[in-house]
Amino acid sequence: DVKVTQSSRYLVKRTGEKVFLECVQDMDHENMFWYRQDPGLGLRLIYFSYDVKMKEKGDIPEGYSVSREKKERFSLILESASTNQTSMYLCASSPASGTLIGQPQHFGDGTRLSIL
Amino acid sequence: AQKITQTQPGMFVQEKEAVTLDCTYDTSDPSYGLFWYKQPSSGEMIFLIYQGSYDQQNATEGRYSLNFQKARKSANLVISASQLGDSAMYFCAMRPSGSARQLTFGSGTQLTVLP
Repeated sequence: DVKVTQSSRYLVKRTGEKVFLECVQDMDHENMFWYRQDPGLGLRLIYFSYDVKMKEKGDIPEGYSVSREKKERFSLILESASTNQTSMYLCASSPASGTLIGQPQHFGDGTRLSIL
Repeated sequence: AQKITQTQPGMFVQEKEAVTLDCTYDTSDPSYGLFWYKQPSSGEMIFLIYQGSYDQQNATEGRYSLNFQKARKSANLVISASQLGDSAMYFCAMRPSGSARQLTFGSGTQLTVLP
């Protein structure tokens, strides 16, 4: 069974701190994604990665960076946390695309991040 | 660019009745896939059902079915015989064909099943 694990369910940090959110998948998936979820806005893509050391910006990359040094791990970094980054963060993974248009993404349980 | 619209922020349904959650989409891609996810209050996103744009039949998965009307660009989720455990947020999402890997999500519908 696919397992995507996010390191924390709840996290509280202070403005200006550097924050790391970790995500690990055990399915040998090529693609990994970081989303942000806010009420009334659904899920918005921050960054995704389709291979080790490869990354692409999503719709809202400002204030974030990512790291993928190993295939199974994808980290989201808030360089200098601000209160408007208080949100729910969801990590997902999927196999390589190609013709697999119907392949769903598999999600972790999410991290509720509060920036004080 | 793709866009997903879910016009129902909240819905109520009586236990054991059927409910339809609306989803309309906008894309210029000729080939695409449509997904529905369920998110209980605990937070995890659970994949429910998938419909391809060239599929001849509407998708079904147990109590879930997808009412796909391509000309109207709608992909409504139908849940039959609602259960209390169906209370959750439901998201419609779309992925175009080709090399695109990411999903575009709607804003979601909060479904509450009443006993």
